[in-house]
Amino acid sequence: DAKTTQPTSMDCAEGRAANLPCNHSTISGNEYVYWYRQIHSQGPQYIIHGLKNNETNEMASLIITEDRKSSTLILPHATLRDTAVYYCIVRAGNTGFQKLVFGTGTRLLVSP
Amino acid sequence: GAVVSQHPSRVICKSGTSVKIECRSLDFQATTMFWYRQFPKQSLMLMATSNEGSKATYEQGVEKDKFLINHASLTLSTLTVTSAHPEDSSFYICSGGGRNTEAFFGQGTRLTVV
Repeated sequence: DAKTTQPTSMDCAEGRAANLPCNHSTISGNEYVYWYRQIHSQGPQYIIHGLKNNETNEMASLIITEDRKSSTLILPHATLRDTAVYYCIVRAGNTGFQKLVFGTGTRLLVSP
Repeated sequence: GAVVSQHPSRVICKSGTSVKIECRSLDFQATTMFWYRQFPKQSLMLMATSNEGSKATYEQGVEKDKFLINHASLTLSTLTVTSAHPEDSSFYICSGGGRNTEAFFGQGTRLTVV
């Protein structure tokens, strides 16, 4: 699976949009971009994933560049409960089983 | 989304004893589940792949005789830390998911060996 690069940490004010970048310049054509987050002392939580089109769900939006070498996770109105470590993971979507290779992630701190 | 239930959430054991951690898929059948370990301020590291009805596959550097994995049914995988030592103290997390779907994670087990 391709490696990803994320900033170590980011700060965001409560109520503002949090934009978390991820570089995956070696991504292959059949690899998807997945985002998970881990709140302290809990298991990771799935957020969103995409292949090449932008995606949106009730939690977040995922913007993938046209060349697919980078993406941005957007939390439109960050709350204090969004404070967590966010992991960007690239993996092949056509493999059957969900082995995930976690990088160091971005530690997002949402402040009042 | 699918639910993965992991128990216990916390356990303290004496050095030299064994500890069993359970991971259950509550609303889906998991032919494969994964076990991760996470040390403080570090990322999740994959330990092994648990396969229903067959032997687990361990990542390089993970001792299979120390971390025993059993996946006897489509809804239950167990990880037993045998002869635990303080250096085994960590946060253990399991995950599962259907084919080509996102992975779902258990709540994690905080193991402290004293």
